Amino acid sequence: DARVTQTPRHKVTEMGQEVTMRCQPILGHNTVFWYRQTMMQGLELLAYFRNRAPLDDSGMPKDRFSAEMPDATLATLKIQPSEPRDSAVYFCASGLDDGGAYEQYFGPGTRLTVT
Amino acid sequence: GQNIDQPTEMTATEGAIVQINCTYQTSGFNGLFWYQQHAGEAPTFLSYNVLDGLEEKGRFSSFLSRSKGYSYLLLKELQMKDSASYLCAVSPFSGGYNKLIFGAGTRLAVHP
Repeated sequence: DARVTQTPRHKVTEMGQEVTMRCQPILGHNTVFWYRQTMMQGLELLAYFRNRAPLDDSGMPKDRFSAEMPDATLATLKIQPSEPRDSAVYFCASGLDDGGAYEQYFGPGTRLTVT
Repeated sequence: GQNIDQPTEMTATEGAIVQINCTYQTSGFNGLFWYQQHAGEAPTFLSYNVLDGLEEKGRFSSFLSRSKGYSYLLLKELQMKDSASYLCAVSPFSGGYNKLIFGAGTRLAVHP
């Protein structure tokens, strides 16, 4: 049963600390997405990779957020320094892009609380 | 710009039928998706429409009219477990790659 996995599932940290979230996409998928979900904003796209190359990070605050894919089995989202307004659930999703629109499979999310 | 609208909340009775509407305005169109999200969980895929018409999948059906920028999700024989948020998402296919733009979601409460 192939699934997207994310770690940690929960993270509580103090303002100013660095936070790193990790995602393992489904084996064989060539796209990875990072989303942030809050009650106020809903589900927002932060970053998007295809074949490990970043294609769109226009939704990401560049001064503090960074997203990378060091290899095909790992995607990371880093916040440095973290702020209380970053408190949200961060989802990773993966999919197989073969030229048309395609389903995205979501991981369980990382619930981040910044105090 | 990109805009997706759906009602914020709906209520329905167990065993009934409910229709959740979604209207969209996007630059380009490559498909419309419906996702279900239970509280505290991740979104899960329900359906996908790229051509006009109705796609049926068990108790769930989804309809698309591209000329009207309109879709709906139809849930039949409602069950208590259908209480969840339903997210409409459009793939605008801009910039040479696919991504999804999500609506804010419709929170459905099913009552006995």
